[in-house]
Amino acid sequence: EVQLVESGGGLVQPGGSLRLSCAASGFTFSSYWMSWVRQAPGKGLEWVANIKQDGSEKYYVDSVKGRFTISRDNAKNSLYLQMNSLRAEDTAVYYCARDTDEWELLSNNWFDPWGQGTLVTVSS
Amino acid sequence: DIQMTQSPSSLSASVGDRVTITCRASQSISSYLNWYQQKPGKAPKLLIYAASSLQSGVPSRFSGSGSGTDFTLTISSLQPEDFATYYCQQSYSTPEITFGQGTRLEIK
Repeated sequence: EVQLVESGGGLVQPGGSLRLSCAASGFTFSSYWMSWVRQAPGKGLEWVANIKQDGSEKYYVDSVKGRFTISRDNAKNSLYLQMNSLRAEDTAVYYCARDTDEWELLSNNWFDPWGQGTLVTVSS
Repeated sequence: DIQMTQSPSSLSASVGDRVTITCRASQSISSYLNWYQQKPGKAPKLLIYAASSLQSGVPSRFSGSGSGTDFTLTISSLQPEDFATYYCQQSYSTPEITFGQGTRLEIK
């Protein structure tokens, strides 16, 4: 069974840092682009970042550029999101999601499956 | 950024009804449009990819159509488990992917 399990969420003060992890199983992790998508309480979905199979390409939504870093460890089948300089507006459930298995990121891609999510709350 | 606008934002319907949700893109996105279902407290689930392809395991009462800027998700006969929030998502401008604001489908 393909499975993604996030961890690392919690309560952090504004300006603080947090590192999220996503453990993958049931598929060849190193063959897929991977993404983080977030959802603020009661709001819609927002793509945050993605990373190529070998980690050589990374992309971010403008609102997190320079503050968040996506990374992966294919030997450990794990995806990470290092979040620094956190703001109240970063409060959300963060999901990891499997992206395409194409080597080049083409337009024809979608997220499937998703993990259960981990809640990040930024508040003093 | 490509903006995705769903209509309606919320919808009340009865079991057995035929329901259509619309998603409009701010520019042409060809057929690079996906649909997800999200139930409260759960992760989104892929229903339709590439505008009209049914994801494996998804009931055939779900269908998608459209190209360019206008797309629809249709549920042919609503079942109790279909009451959820539905999101469209464009991948035309990948990696800058954007979602619609969601359509909440409620029981009448």
